[in-house]
Amino acid sequence: QLQLQESGPGLMKPSETLSLTCTVSGGSIRGSGFYWGWVRQPPGKGLEWIGCIHYSGNTYDNPSLKSRVTISVDTSQNQFSLKLSSVTAADTALYYCARAGYSYPARIEIEFWGQGTLVIVSS
Amino acid sequence: QSVLTQPPSVSGAPGQRVTISCIGSSSNIGAGYDVHWYQQIPGTAPKLLIFGNTNRPSGVPDRFSGSKSGTSASLAITGLLTEDEANYYCQSYDISLSVVVFGGGTKLTVL
Repeated sequence: QLQLQESGPGLMKPSETLSLTCTVSGGSIRGSGFYWGWVRQPPGKGLEWIGCIHYSGNTYDNPSLKSRVTISVDTSQNQFSLKLSSVTAADTALYYCARAGYSYPARIEIEFWGQGTLVIVSS
Repeated sequence: QSVLTQPPSVSGAPGQRVTISCIGSSSNIGAGYDVHWYQQIPGTAPKLLIFGNTNRPSGVPDRFSGSKSGTSASLAITGLLTEDEANYYCQSYDISLSVVVFGGGTKLTVL
């Protein structure tokens, strides 16, 4: 069974760069044909798409995040990562890594989710 | 303000049927992009309930069904169980915004 696990800092200060890594087990990122993505959820609120990456390197980010997002993949470690620069309190959220579908954007449903990691931005 | 509009809450008694609507526009659902549905029990990650408008992943009971028409989609739950009490989200793609979009979520209360 595919499993995803997020790792990263829980507390950050405004203007810092958030770095999260998702480690995939029970399956290989490379050659799977799927997209690997990030979704966040502010406390008590709904889901927001951050972006996704294919093992080939193609990425699709949320334009509303104004180019602050970088998503990368390390197939040798079976991991993919998120960097979000210049964080503010508005970036406080539960961050999920996920395996999305096999075709962007036609089939981008998320079948596998990590448990989520809470990131708090506070001075 | 979500691009996909869902009712904030719905409720029903055990055994009843409820539907949750997801209203979009010509730049997302109406443009032909698939709708997917998720169930999120508080404190846990979302779970995929319906993909590709009408399809259930393995293990999802057939009490859950999805439909799509025009610029909207619906999730129907029949034979309500107390364990169905959760938040439900729809998801699609918006070509004008060039982004995957989620509905604002609907809280289902089983009375």
